[in-house]
Amino acid sequence: AQSVTQLGSHVSVSEGALVLLRCNYSSSVPPYLFWYVQYPNQGLQLLLKYTSAATLVKGINGFEAEFKKSETSFHLTKPSAHMSDAAEYFCAVRSNFGNEKLTFGTGTRLTIIP
Amino acid sequence: AAGVIQSPRHLIKEKRETATLKCYPIPRHDTVYWYQQGPGQDPQFLISFYEKMQSDKGSIPDRFSAQQFSDYHSELNMSSLELGDSALYFCANSGPHTGELFFGEGSRLTVL
Repeated sequence: AQSVTQLGSHVSVSEGALVLLRCNYSSSVPPYLFWYVQYPNQGLQLLLKYTSAATLVKGINGFEAEFKKSETSFHLTKPSAHMSDAAEYFCAVRSNFGNEKLTFGTGTRLTIIP
Repeated sequence: AAGVIQSPRHLIKEKRETATLKCYPIPRHDTVYWYQQGPGQDPQFLISFYEKMQSDKGSIPDRFSAQQFSDYHSELNMSSLELGDSALYFCANSGPHTGELFFGEGSRLTVL
Protein backbone atom coordinates (compact mmCIF):
# COMPACT_ATOMS: atom_id res chain seq x y z
CA ALA A 1 0.00 0.00 0.00
CA GLN A 2 1.12 3.54 -0.66
CA SER A 3 0.49 6.74 1.24
CA VAL A 4 1.79 10.28 1.41
CA THR A 5 1.99 12.71 4.27
CA GLN A 6 2.00 16.44 3.67
CA LEU A 7 3.46 18.41 6.55
CA GLY A 8 1.63 21.65 7.08
CA SER A 9 -1.95 22.09 5.96
CA HIS A 10 -1.34 25.82 5.52
CA VAL A 11 1.83 27.55 4.37
CA SER A 12 2.25 31.30 3.96
CA VAL A 13 5.18 32.91 2.19
CA SER A 14 5.93 36.42 1.06
CA GLU A 15 5.88 37.27 -2.62
CA GLY A 16 9.37 36.63 -3.99
CA ALA A 17 10.32 34.24 -1.19
CA LEU A 18 11.17 30.56 -1.45
CA VAL A 19 8.25 28.14 -1.54
CA LEU A 20 8.79 24.78 0.16
CA LEU A 21 5.93 22.30 0.48
CA ARG A 22 6.79 19.04 2.18
CA CYS A 23 5.72 15.56 1.20
CA ASN A 24 6.88 12.23 2.57
CA TYR A 25 5.78 8.95 1.07
CA SER A 26 5.40 5.40 2.21
CA SER A 27 5.45 2.65 -0.34
CA SER A 28 6.21 -1.06 -0.35
CA VAL A 29 7.20 -0.90 -4.01
CA PRO A 30 9.03 1.71 -6.08
CA PRO A 31 6.64 4.62 -6.33
CA TYR A 32 5.52 7.11 -8.86
CA LEU A 33 5.10 10.50 -7.19
CA PHE A 34 3.16 13.54 -8.29
CA TRP A 35 2.33 17.07 -7.31
CA TYR A 36 -1.01 18.52 -8.34
CA VAL A 37 -2.27 22.09 -7.95
CA GLN A 38 -5.90 23.04 -7.52
CA TYR A 39 -7.15 26.60 -7.81
CA PRO A 40 -10.45 27.51 -6.15
CA ASN A 41 -13.42 25.82 -7.77
CA GLN A 42 -11.24 24.22 -10.41
CA GLY A 43 -9.92 20.79 -11.28
CA LEU A 44 -6.58 19.13 -10.59
CA GLN A 45 -3.63 20.25 -12.68
CA LEU A 46 -0.46 18.19 -12.81
CA LEU A 47 2.58 20.24 -11.75
CA LEU A 48 5.22 17.55 -12.09
CA LYS A 49 5.83 13.85 -11.76
CA TYR A 50 8.57 11.43 -10.76
CA THR A 51 8.47 8.13 -12.62
CA SER A 52 11.89 6.66 -11.78
CA ALA A 53 13.94 8.68 -14.22
CA ALA A 54 15.82 11.77 -13.01
CA THR A 55 15.45 12.39 -9.29
CA LEU A 56 15.21 16.16 -9.75
CA VAL A 57 12.03 16.88 -11.61
CA LYS A 58 11.10 20.20 -13.12
CA GLY A 59 7.49 21.11 -13.64
CA ILE A 60 5.33 23.93 -14.83
CA ASN A 61 5.25 27.46 -13.41
CA GLY A 62 8.83 27.24 -12.13
CA PHE A 63 8.20 24.45 -9.64
CA GLU A 64 10.51 21.53 -9.08
CA ALA A 65 10.76 18.57 -6.73
CA GLU A 66 13.50 16.17 -5.75
CA PHE A 67 12.94 12.49 -5.07
CA LYS A 68 15.07 11.42 -2.11
CA LYS A 69 14.76 7.72 -1.45
CA SER A 70 16.89 7.85 1.70
CA GLU A 71 14.50 10.38 3.21
CA THR A 72 11.33 9.03 1.51
CA SER A 73 10.61 12.59 0.53
CA PHE A 74 9.39 14.46 -2.53
CA HIS A 75 9.29 18.10 -1.45
CA LEU A 76 8.05 20.77 -3.83
CA THR A 77 10.00 24.00 -4.21
CA LYS A 78 9.92 27.25 -6.13
CA PRO A 79 12.69 29.83 -5.77
CA SER A 80 10.45 32.90 -5.90
CA ALA A 81 6.76 32.91 -5.03
CA HIS A 82 4.27 34.75 -7.18
CA MET A 83 0.82 35.88 -6.19
CA SER A 84 -0.65 33.52 -8.78
CA ASP A 85 0.84 30.54 -6.89
CA ALA A 86 -1.82 30.82 -4.19
CA ALA A 87 -3.71 27.53 -4.39
CA GLU A 88 -4.11 24.09 -2.83
CA TYR A 89 -1.30 21.65 -3.53
CA PHE A 90 -1.63 17.90 -3.35
CA CYS A 91 1.15 15.35 -3.25
CA ALA A 92 0.14 11.93 -4.59
CA VAL A 93 1.65 8.46 -4.90
CA ARG A 94 1.04 5.48 -7.08
CA SER A 95 2.83 2.16 -7.45
CA ASN A 96 4.90 1.80 -10.58
CA PHE A 97 3.13 -1.18 -12.07
CA GLY A 98 -0.35 -2.25 -12.93
CA ASN A 99 -3.37 -0.02 -12.87
CA GLU A 100 -3.02 1.13 -9.30
CA LYS A 101 -5.03 4.07 -8.09
CA LEU A 102 -3.49 7.38 -7.13
CA THR A 103 -3.48 8.14 -3.40
CA PHE A 104 -3.49 11.80 -2.39
CA GLY A 105 -2.13 13.59 0.63
CA THR A 106 -4.37 15.87 2.62
CA GLY A 107 -3.19 18.94 0.76
CA THR A 108 -1.37 22.16 1.63
CA ARG A 109 -2.98 25.53 1.12
CA LEU A 110 -0.39 28.03 -0.04
CA THR A 111 -1.01 31.68 0.72
CA ILE A 112 1.18 34.39 -0.78
CA ILE A 113 1.65 37.55 1.25
CA PRO A 114 2.05 40.71 -0.85
CA ALA B 1 -4.95 16.58 -27.74
CA ALA B 2 -8.15 15.02 -26.48
CA GLY B 3 -8.60 15.05 -22.72
CA VAL B 4 -10.92 13.38 -20.25
CA ILE B 5 -14.42 14.74 -20.65
CA GLN B 6 -16.89 14.76 -17.79
CA SER B 7 -20.56 15.65 -17.88
CA PRO B 8 -22.44 17.36 -16.54
CA ARG B 9 -20.08 19.94 -15.10
CA HIS B 10 -22.65 21.03 -12.55
CA LEU B 11 -25.63 19.17 -11.15
CA ILE B 12 -28.15 20.14 -8.50
CA LYS B 13 -30.35 17.48 -6.94
CA GLU B 14 -32.70 17.13 -4.01
CA LYS B 15 -32.20 14.66 -1.17
CA ARG B 16 -33.23 11.11 -2.03
CA GLU B 17 -32.96 11.77 -5.76
CA THR B 18 -30.69 9.94 -8.19
CA ALA B 19 -27.78 11.34 -10.18
CA THR B 20 -25.65 9.98 -12.99
CA LEU B 21 -22.22 11.32 -13.90
CA LYS B 22 -20.48 10.45 -17.13
CA CYS B 23 -16.84 10.19 -18.08
CA TYR B 24 -15.42 9.95 -21.57
CA PRO B 25 -11.77 8.86 -21.46
CA ILE B 26 -8.85 9.63 -23.70
CA PRO B 27 -8.87 7.25 -26.69
CA ARG B 28 -6.92 4.03 -26.05
CA HIS B 29 -6.58 4.82 -22.33
CA ASP B 30 -8.47 1.88 -20.93
CA THR B 31 -8.38 2.43 -17.16
CA VAL B 32 -10.88 4.75 -15.50
CA TYR B 33 -10.85 5.96 -11.90
CA TRP B 34 -13.53 7.86 -9.99
CA TYR B 35 -12.69 10.20 -7.11
CA GLN B 36 -14.84 12.23 -4.74
CA GLN B 37 -13.59 15.51 -3.28
CA GLY B 38 -15.66 17.02 -0.51
CA PRO B 39 -15.33 20.70 0.45
CA GLY B 40 -11.86 21.36 1.81
CA GLN B 41 -10.90 17.70 1.46
CA ASP B 42 -8.43 15.75 -0.61
CA PRO B 43 -9.75 13.57 -3.44
CA GLN B 44 -10.87 10.17 -2.20
CA PHE B 45 -10.74 7.14 -4.46
CA LEU B 46 -14.12 5.54 -5.13
CA ILE B 47 -13.71 2.87 -7.79
CA SER B 48 -11.77 1.97 -10.92
CA PHE B 49 -12.26 -0.06 -14.07
CA TYR B 50 -9.83 -1.74 -16.43
CA GLU B 51 -11.05 -3.15 -19.70
CA LYS B 52 -14.65 -2.76 -18.56
CA MET B 53 -14.12 -4.80 -15.40
CA GLN B 54 -13.96 -3.36 -11.89
CA SER B 55 -10.32 -3.37 -10.90
CA ASP B 56 -10.32 -1.72 -7.47
CA LYS B 57 -12.79 -0.37 -4.97
CA GLY B 58 -12.33 2.32 -2.40
CA SER B 59 -14.65 4.17 -0.08
CA ILE B 60 -17.68 4.02 -2.35
CA PRO B 61 -21.06 3.93 -0.60
CA ASP B 62 -23.42 1.05 -1.37
CA ARG B 63 -25.82 3.66 -2.78
CA PHE B 64 -23.33 4.33 -5.56
CA SER B 65 -22.57 2.10 -8.50
CA ALA B 66 -20.46 2.48 -11.58
CA GLN B 67 -19.61 0.71 -14.77
CA GLN B 68 -17.46 1.00 -17.85
CA PHE B 69 -19.10 0.43 -21.20
CA SER B 70 -17.88 -1.17 -24.44
CA ASP B 71 -16.78 2.21 -25.78
CA TYR B 72 -14.78 2.68 -22.52
CA HIS B 73 -16.83 5.56 -21.23
CA SER B 74 -17.88 5.22 -17.62
CA GLU B 75 -20.89 6.26 -15.57
CA LEU B 76 -21.20 6.80 -11.83
CA ASN B 77 -24.73 6.30 -10.56
CA MET B 78 -25.69 7.73 -7.19
CA SER B 79 -29.04 6.95 -5.59
CA SER B 80 -30.83 8.10 -2.44
CA LEU B 81 -28.69 11.21 -2.46
CA GLU B 82 -27.70 12.72 0.88
CA LEU B 83 -26.49 16.19 1.73
CA GLY B 84 -23.05 14.74 2.36
CA ASP B 85 -22.80 13.59 -1.24
CA SER B 86 -22.30 17.20 -2.29
CA ALA B 87 -18.82 17.19 -3.72
CA LEU B 88 -16.65 17.49 -6.77
CA TYR B 89 -16.45 14.17 -8.59
CA PHE B 90 -13.41 13.54 -10.75
CA CYS B 91 -12.89 10.97 -13.39
CA ALA B 92 -9.30 10.09 -14.24
CA ASN B 93 -7.77 8.00 -16.96
CA SER B 94 -4.56 6.13 -17.50
CA GLY B 95 -3.24 4.14 -20.38
CA PRO B 96 -0.48 1.69 -21.16
CA HIS B 97 2.99 2.92 -20.31
CA THR B 98 1.78 6.10 -18.67
CA GLY B 99 2.73 6.74 -15.07
CA GLU B 100 0.27 9.55 -14.53
CA LEU B 101 -3.46 9.81 -14.32
CA PHE B 102 -5.19 12.34 -16.54
CA PHE B 103 -8.04 14.08 -14.75
CA GLY B 104 -11.21 15.57 -16.11
CA GLU B 105 -12.43 18.97 -14.99
CA GLY B 106 -14.82 17.37 -12.54
CA SER B 107 -18.56 17.32 -12.00
CA ARG B 108 -19.82 19.40 -9.11
CA LEU B 109 -22.82 17.81 -7.43
CA THR B 110 -24.90 19.87 -5.03
CA VAL B 111 -27.55 18.09 -3.00
CA LEU B 112 -30.20 20.34 -1.46
